[in-house]
Amino acid sequence: QLQLQESGPGLVKPSETLSLTCTVSGASITSSSHYWGWIRQPPGKGLEWISSIYYSGSTYYNPSLESRVTISIDTAKKQFSLKLSSVTASDTAVYYCARLSIGEVDPWGQGTLVTVSS
Amino acid sequence: EIVLTQSPDFQSATPKEKVTITCRASQSIGSSLHWYQQKSDQSPKVLIRYASQSLSGVPSRFSGSGSGTDFTLTIDSLEAEDAATYYCHQSSILPWTFGQGTKVDI
Repeated sequence: QLQLQESGPGLVKPSETLSLTCTVSGASITSSSHYWGWIRQPPGKGLEWISSIYYSGSTYYNPSLESRVTISIDTAKKQFSLKLSSVTASDTAVYYCARLSIGEVDPWGQGTLVTVSS
Repeated sequence: EIVLTQSPDFQSATPKEKVTITCRASQSIGSSLHWYQQKSDQSPKVLIRYASQSLSGVPSRFSGSGSGTDFTLTIDSLEAEDAATYYCHQSSILPWTFGQGTKVDI
């Protein structure tokens, strides 16, 4: 059964870079049918797609965040990662990693809360 | 970007009641609309894919319909375990976007 697990610091200082890694288990990360990506949810608010990556390295970014986001993939480690630079308090959110098809998002990781605060 | 507007924002209902949530897209997205359920302190779980396709393991009381710009999620005979926030999501045009959510209270 496919599982995804986020890891990374839960607290990041303003202006610094948020770094998260998602580890995939139970399925191939080199599936030709799926992408891998990140979605975030500020406390008490809705969902925002951040970025997606294909196993070949093709990347897709939300224009609202593109200038600050980098997504990467390490197929050997079965991991993909997110970096978000110059963070502010508005980047405080639960960050989910997930598998994406050309359609739905399924499954989602359990999510990790990242708080931006000095 | 495509804006998805859900209605209502909040719905209070009783067990066995039928609940309908709508999602309107700012432009046509064909059938590339998916529905998710998010229970308190949990990650979202997909309920319906491509507007009306049911998924294995999802109770049959959940159904979806619509195409173009107007979509509906229906919960027939609501159960207590259905208390959650429901989101629609479009995968037709990047950036992918989500509706603002509909909280169903039982």
